[in-house]
Amino acid sequence: GQQLNQSPQSMFIQEGEDVSMNCTSSSIFNTWLWYKQDPGEGPVLLIALYKAGELTSNGRLTAQFGITRKDSFLNISASIPSDVGIYFCAGRANTGNQFYFGTGTSLTVIP
Amino acid sequence: DTGVSQNPRHKITKRGQNVTFRCDPISEHNRLYWYRQTLGQGPEFLTYFQNEAQLEKSRLLSDRFSAERPKGSFSTLEIQRTEQGDSAMYLCASSWPQAERDAAVSYNEQFFGPGTRLTVL
Repeated sequence: GQQLNQSPQSMFIQEGEDVSMNCTSSSIFNTWLWYKQDPGEGPVLLIALYKAGELTSNGRLTAQFGITRKDSFLNISASIPSDVGIYFCAGRANTGNQFYFGTGTSLTVIP
Repeated sequence: DTGVSQNPRHKITKRGQNVTFRCDPISEHNRLYWYRQTLGQGPEFLTYFQNEAQLEKSRLLSDRFSAERPKGSFSTLEIQRTEQGDSAMYLCASSWPQAERDAAVSYNEQFFGPGTRLTVL
């Protein structure tokens, strides 16, 4: 199946720092979604992107749909302890309804 | 709570037993998805329903797995003759019909339930 490369795999940052993570695919996608997952829970949708070049914010989170349509980026500004969790990207191609997920970025925020 | 719900939250079973999980989607959503997630990995697509019709199935969905959505509302996922390799979190998600706000863009956001953690001993 489709592989999404998500990086970095893990991050350890100080509270207040900004965070950047990205996701790349080998195929062109028409939708990118970013999720956050806490241990033992289902993923929670953070941001949805539908157009190449689109930049969308949700509070301290900002995500971008890459111009090539093969990548997406998520930034978190001024991190706080509750940002701790695993962040997943998910993408969908023009054909089919299946979303492919990245392997996740584990974020640890040190108070 | 009007979100996606899943039952049970946890299931421990012995190898060879059958298990069934239930998913109740958000009431207005006509699309329902099942995913499997193992430790350290992202969710992997298993199958997708639009109303009661099962429209896509992953190759991951072996013949021991069967999913139904008989009335186009809740869905069940059954695993027969469980194996230790079936141990995972099983996630359900639902979404609206794929809406189009303009001719070039379609919208399809998936909302997940809390998952069912399966452990096969």
